[in-house]
Amino acid sequence: EIVLTQSPGTVSLSPGDRATLSCRASQSVSSSYLAWYHQRPGQAPRLLIYGASRRATGIPDRFSGSGSGTDFTLTISRLEPEDFAVYYCQHYGSSPTWTFGQGTKVEIK
Amino acid sequence: EVQLVQSGSEVKKPGESLKISCKGSGFIFSSYWISWVRQMPGKGLEWMGRIDPSDSHTSYSPSFQGDVIISTDRSTSTAYLQWSSLKASDTAIYYCARLGLFFGEWRGFDYWGQGTQVTVSS
Repeated sequence: EIVLTQSPGTVSLSPGDRATLSCRASQSVSSSYLAWYHQRPGQAPRLLIYGASRRATGIPDRFSGSGSGTDFTLTISRLEPEDFAVYYCQHYGSSPTWTFGQGTKVEIK
Repeated sequence: EVQLVQSGSEVKKPGESLKISCKGSGFIFSSYWISWVRQMPGKGLEWMGRIDPSDSHTSYSPSFQGDVIISTDRSTSTAYLQWSSLKASDTAIYYCARLGLFFGEWRGFDYWGQGTQVTVSS
């Protein structure tokens, strides 16, 4: 089973700052099947990025994803108040089992 | 409009059985894999397993294999998650989610249910 490790666990930033979140896989993951989500308190998760770098419908362009192999990154260019949330990476696709990373909390400094 | 609507909150005692549901609408239900995701209090997301409604083929996380059963009823566009004997540690929010598919390309979990709170307490 692929293990996804996210870092940092928590990051404290201010609105307008740039956020860089990391997701490292225990073995190579197809870029086609790496997604990012965020989850605000009391809400269901929301898909941000799929295929490592492709924005989901309705996601603003301040969100971008990159990476390949075992190292992936989600970047938020300028944090808006609604971006303070928990972010998860996930692998899916043709493998029999899928997993989520443990999450990175982006909190207001 | 695509929607996944889950059944309501449940309060159960240890040892009891439970089946929660996730009803899809606004899309061809049999064409999209449905997954279940657990979120324990204050914790992260855990993928439990998935089902292909077209043939009811399932795949489970090793962490949940044997503890839960995922099923589907294509006639009502509904997916189910069931337990035969609940434990206090099953207390969590359970989400269903659809694996997006566009012209043969999988696109992550593009739609989620609102979540079902399951509380197991004596």
